[in-house]
Amino acid sequence: EVQLLESGGGLIQPGGSLRLSCAASASTFGTYVMIWVRQAPGKGLEWVSTIDNTGGTTYYADSVKGRFTISRDNSKNTLYLQMNSLRAEDTAIYYCAKRAKVELRPGLYSYNMDVWGKGTTVTVSS
Amino acid sequence: EIVLTQSPGTLSLSPGERATLSCRASQSVSSNYLAWYQQKPGQAPRLLIYGASSRATGIPDRFSGSGSGTDFTLTISRLEPEDFAVYYCGGSVPWTFGQGTKVEIK
Repeated sequence: EVQLLESGGGLIQPGGSLRLSCAASASTFGTYVMIWVRQAPGKGLEWVSTIDNTGGTTYYADSVKGRFTISRDNSKNTLYLQMNSLRAEDTAIYYCAKRAKVELRPGLYSYNMDVWGKGTTVTVSS
Repeated sequence: EIVLTQSPGTLSLSPGERATLSCRASQSVSSNYLAWYQQKPGQAPRLLIYGASSRATGIPDRFSGSGSGTDFTLTISRLEPEDFAVYYCGGSVPWTFGQGTKVEIK
């Protein structure tokens, strides 16, 4: 099973930038749709962004659209999240996750996040 | 926008008891898009149930999911000490999560 390891978190001032990385252990990384999810301190889970297996299609939550950019380098088995114009409300643990697509019965698919990294903590504060 | 609302917020039970967690959607959700995740303190979430009722790899059969339309349920038949955690329902089209139910030791 693939393993995911995030890095790049830290303390950053409001308005600053940070780039998170998520390294995958498997060479099959290039076949996976990948997702970033975050969790503010003491709060629930929030979907942030999704990227398809080629990097050609991306999606963002409204809360980060225009500020965050998801990308990937399949040759390095690595997913990225470039975060610009950071705000205090972006403070969270950021998880990367692999999307699974499971065929429940012919033509009927389930989508879920079946592998998660341990997360990296981003703190936006002056 | 689909909103998932979980209840109760906290469930206080003893080991061996049955836990019933609810997830209600603001509009109908295809059951194949509904999953449940478990999160223990200091850990990443873990997939428990997908497609509303299919257990993920390695998940014990005391965990079961059911429901359709706007009402979904996660049942833990007999709570083990390691089951005390926070549980989230999640939808995948679009990606969204409920606010979580904490199952705590009574």
